[in-house]
Amino acid sequence: RKEVEQDPGPFNVPEGATVAFNCTYSNSASQSFFWYRQDCRKEPKLLMSVYSSGNEDGRFTAQLNRASQYISLLIRDSKLSDSATYLCVVNRDDKIIFGKGTRLHILP
Amino acid sequence: GAVVSQHPSWVICKSGTSVKIECRSLDFQATTMFWYRQFPKQSLMLMATSNEGSKATYEQGVEKDKFLINHASLTLSTLTVTSAHPEDSSFYICSAGDRGPSWLAYGYTFGSGTRLTVV
Repeated sequence: RKEVEQDPGPFNVPEGATVAFNCTYSNSASQSFFWYRQDCRKEPKLLMSVYSSGNEDGRFTAQLNRASQYISLLIRDSKLSDSATYLCVVNRDDKIIFGKGTRLHILP
Repeated sequence: GAVVSQHPSWVICKSGTSVKIECRSLDFQATTMFWYRQFPKQSLMLMATSNEGSKATYEQGVEKDKFLINHASLTLSTLTVTSAHPEDSSFYICSAGDRGPSWLAYGYTFGSGTRLTVV
């Protein structure tokens, strides 16, 4: 079993809709969690950190469930510019481990 | 915010030659740098972790004699692909963190990546 797993998608979602992704991690010793965004042929960029209490940044909401070992990302009122691959990232013992990413296509 | 500069952006080299990729932290001291490789339509795969002043730690299956990592200063790490072959063609990305209190909020910063094509 991979340490960080995500549904690869693609998720094809109409503009304005709400979409959610989940990511599961297998190592309970994982310490920190992030969502990164990667556009085609570009480097990943941090979208948001994920805190135990959950956190929101504009249209984006991230949640962490340590008991079930998953994190989620919710995007409200999706825009065409949200089309990208969203990477779930977990930090453990000074290593950062990436999920394979979930591809999102926002349809006009 | 933290900036990581990676060079070159792309390189084409002949099979059997060596290629050096540089990763510099511009406004912070990067005690730890990570090197990743990404094949088309695949996820980033961690190759190695380098700590300033010590030997890099390589992930299982990564040949340390082929992918030489040097992290001689707090702002510079280099990855040298020795005797490159076409199967080494990939997107190589570095990332760095200062392990200070802000990293939990800001994560690690990535370089812009190097697209290596070996012909």
